[in-house]
Amino acid sequence: DAKTTQPPSMDCAEGRAANLPCNHSTISGNEYVYWYRQIHSQGPQYIIHGLKNNETNEMASLIITEDRKSSTLILPHATLRDTAVYYCIVRVGGGYQKVTFGTGTKLQVIP
Amino acid sequence: NAGVTQTPKFQVLKTGQSMTLQCAQDMNHEYMSWYRQDPGMGLRLIHYSVGAGITDQGEVPNGYNVSRSTTEDFPLRLLSAAPSQTSVYFCASRADGFYTFGSGTRLTVV
Repeated sequence: DAKTTQPPSMDCAEGRAANLPCNHSTISGNEYVYWYRQIHSQGPQYIIHGLKNNETNEMASLIITEDRKSSTLILPHATLRDTAVYYCIVRVGGGYQKVTFGTGTKLQVIP
Repeated sequence: NAGVTQTPKFQVLKTGQSMTLQCAQDMNHEYMSWYRQDPGMGLRLIHYSVGAGITDQGEVPNGYNVSRSTTEDFPLRLLSAAPSQTSVYFCASRADGFYTFGSGTRLTVV
């Protein structure tokens, strides 16, 4: 699995868009980008994933660069409940490869 | 459909004691894994399994044993607990790239 690099922390004003970057410069052609978040001490929860096209769901949008070496998770209108650690991982869609989550980005939404 | 169930939620052990952290999933996922999370360290993979009877080591396997006799269960055993094993432990199952995590076990070794 490709290694990812994320900033350790970010702040965002409540109601504004939160843009969380992730670098995955060694990503392979068949590897997807997945985003998870961990609120307080709960287990991480799935947010969104994509291969090469931009994706949007009810929680967030995922923008993947054309060369696929980086991506950005966008929370369009951040709320205090979005304060969490956000993890970016890359892996192939199927198979049994082990995955390490790293330390993620601690997003603090400020009132 | 309960997802991934971990027991106990909290546990205090004395150094040298043994215990088993239980993990069960009802989604028929073949892949299961154990992570530990220490403050500021993110999630570190301890052991994982790709199916019944198959297990392998992750990043930090020392001091932990696992077995996978059924698809549903993936217990994590601490044979002789040490203070360095004080942590929050998460079990997860996975289908393709989609992880489902349990709610965690907070373990303190004194």
